[in-house]
Amino acid sequence: AQSVTQPDIHITVSEGASLELRCNYSYGATPYLFWYVQSPGQGLQLLLKYFSGDTLVQGIKGFEAEFKRSQSSFNLRKPSVHWSDAAEYFCAVGRDSGGGADGLTFGKGTHLIIQP
Amino acid sequence: AAGVIQSPRHLIKEKRETATLKCYPIPRHDTVYWYQQGPGQDPQFLISFYEKMQSDKGSIPDRFSAQQFSDYHSELNMSSLELGDSALYFCASSSYPPTRDTQYFGPGTRLTVL
Repeated sequence: AQSVTQPDIHITVSEGASLELRCNYSYGATPYLFWYVQSPGQGLQLLLKYFSGDTLVQGIKGFEAEFKRSQSSFNLRKPSVHWSDAAEYFCAVGRDSGGGADGLTFGKGTHLIIQP
Repeated sequence: AAGVIQSPRHLIKEKRETATLKCYPIPRHDTVYWYQQGPGQDPQFLISFYEKMQSDKGSIPDRFSAQQFSDYHSELNMSSLELGDSALYFCASSSYPPTRDTQYFGPGTRLTVL
């Protein structure tokens, strides 16, 4: 069964500094991977996704992620964070149920704190 | 752009009562997914529907059932509610083909069981 590991429960970054959030997955075939962001009490907003092709994917709000098959990783990066980036970040992998409308398996999330 | 609509946004129930949550997908989306997110937890996939047929099934309790209707909206029915059912319930939708397509999430329904 597929699984997602986000090793960092909390990360604190100074405003304007660079950011990298780690995500490792376990999946038998070629995975399709997502990063979602969630503000407190809010829904999940898609930042970016990887299905195939170019391993460096660009997303919204200046985020990017790199798929590395050899490391089973899909780390999220941003060159300069803003105070509004403070939120919970979830990495997710698509299940492979064979039925088509596959649910997502999420990691436990990383809580991002921005210091002024 | 139109988004996923969930109703109600907040719901308070007593133990052993029933609850029905509704989800209206983005127009022209024919696939619906349900997730449960407990306090401080990651979202857990419950069930999905494609073209009104159940497609994938996750960790949905037997007390819960769901269906998708001819207009593609979906309802999650929850019976014999327990305190542990208190959570944020998300619906997401995607378009054909559903496989490997992006799921767009609604704002969620916050269910509190007293």
